[in-house]
Amino acid sequence: SQTIHQWPATLVQPVGSPLSLECTVEGTSNPNLYWYRQAAGRGLQLLFYSVGIGQISSEVPQNLSASRPQDRQFILSSKKLLLSDSGFYLCAWNQGVSGVSYGYTFGSGTRLTVV
Amino acid sequence: GESVGLHLPTLSVQEGDNSIINCAYSNSASDYFIWYKQESGKGPQFIIDIRSNMDKRQGQRVTVLLNKTVKHLSLQIAATQPGDSAVYFCAERRIIADSGGSNYKLTFGKGTLLTVNP
Repeated sequence: SQTIHQWPATLVQPVGSPLSLECTVEGTSNPNLYWYRQAAGRGLQLLFYSVGIGQISSEVPQNLSASRPQDRQFILSSKKLLLSDSGFYLCAWNQGVSGVSYGYTFGSGTRLTVV
Repeated sequence: GESVGLHLPTLSVQEGDNSIINCAYSNSASDYFIWYKQESGKGPQFIIDIRSNMDKRQGQRVTVLLNKTVKHLSLQIAATQPGDSAVYFCAERRIIADSGGSNYKLTFGKGTLLTVNP
């Protein structure tokens, strides 16, 4: 069965520090991968998506970047965190049109607090 | 901005009652809709989905209704239980234009907080 792992679960970082959040998927190949951010009491905002290794699309301009160094690995980064980067970050995956799963499967999330 | 919104941000029901959570969407090109449940501090979990060529789909204790005429989606939970307390999101799926038809964008609403009172 497929599983998605996301870590760390919580993170407190000072303003101006770097960030690296990692997400990995097991039990599948060539998944579509997504990073979402959820502000407190708000919906889910798509930040990045990737349809393959090295292929990253950004949905919104921001202080963050994403990379996909391996097929089932998706990394969210920042060189210098801002207070506004605080939030709940969620990684998700799904298959394409021919896959059996149309919806996303989400990871357990990372609670980032920038202080 | 978000094109999928919810009519009510909070809903409080008594245990055993039926719950109805509503959602409006704006993009008639969306072909697939999903309801997610998110418990505090956790990632969203898939509940039920419906394709745009259907108007009703039933699961265990849950039913999703789709009215394409008015672009309205609802989630009905029968015999609501305390464990159903969570934030519920509807999401609409659209194919991303530059993905060759193999990738999707899910747009989420802000969510409805369902509280079940014992």
